[in-house]
Amino acid sequence: NAGVMQNPRHLVRRRGQEARLRCSPMKGHSHVYWYRQLPEEGLKFMVYLQKENIIDESGMPKERFSAEFPKEGPSILRIQQVVRGDSAAYFCASSPTGLYNEQFFGPGTRLTVL
Amino acid sequence: DAKTTQPPSMDCAEGRAANLPCNHSTISGNEYVYWYRQIHSQGPQYIIHGLKNNETNEMASLIITEDRKSSTLILPHATLRDTAVYYCIVKTGANNLFFGTGTRLTVIP
Repeated sequence: NAGVMQNPRHLVRRRGQEARLRCSPMKGHSHVYWYRQLPEEGLKFMVYLQKENIIDESGMPKERFSAEFPKEGPSILRIQQVVRGDSAAYFCASSPTGLYNEQFFGPGTRLTVL
Repeated sequence: DAKTTQPPSMDCAEGRAANLPCNHSTISGNEYVYWYRQIHSQGPQYIIHGLKNNETNEMASLIITEDRKSSTLILPHATLRDTAVYYCIVKTGANNLFFGTGTRLTVIP
């Protein structure tokens, strides 16, 4: 029973390029959450998606960041025109429902912007 | 969501019980207490959660005071692999978790 999978595990981009981070939730989970962790800081919520719908994007920066969770395939967090401040670990979590359930986290994608 | 306060760091001898406190004096009646931990650079791991009764699972026990203003996570026999940052989170639903600074637990051989 595979856990939450994220790829790539490490991603290096130059300033101005695009970064695409993928998250495959646990089998049977239709709720996905993205968090960002800057160096030496705690995790910060970014966005909560249910299949094909964005439920809460209150933590997403207004520009350059977008997320989707299509009917088929993994959830994608997309960062356009990356800047050095985007360097962080990005964690995805999934849960079977949206209420009172623990979230299962993936291993994270470490983005480095040169 | 209620704010939580945790000590920044704690040490515990290997094999002894680790008791991690959390204050949440502004918790409301329908808010749950969740505990997660993050072992160095890994994704956070769910430990346990509760509303008002004490809870126990294979990893830990959660003791919530009667007035629900504080709680304690107990790792009964700490091992070196329990060294991690432990987060106490109070939330009505599971839509988004607010991770504060947590408690950095170091288990000492």
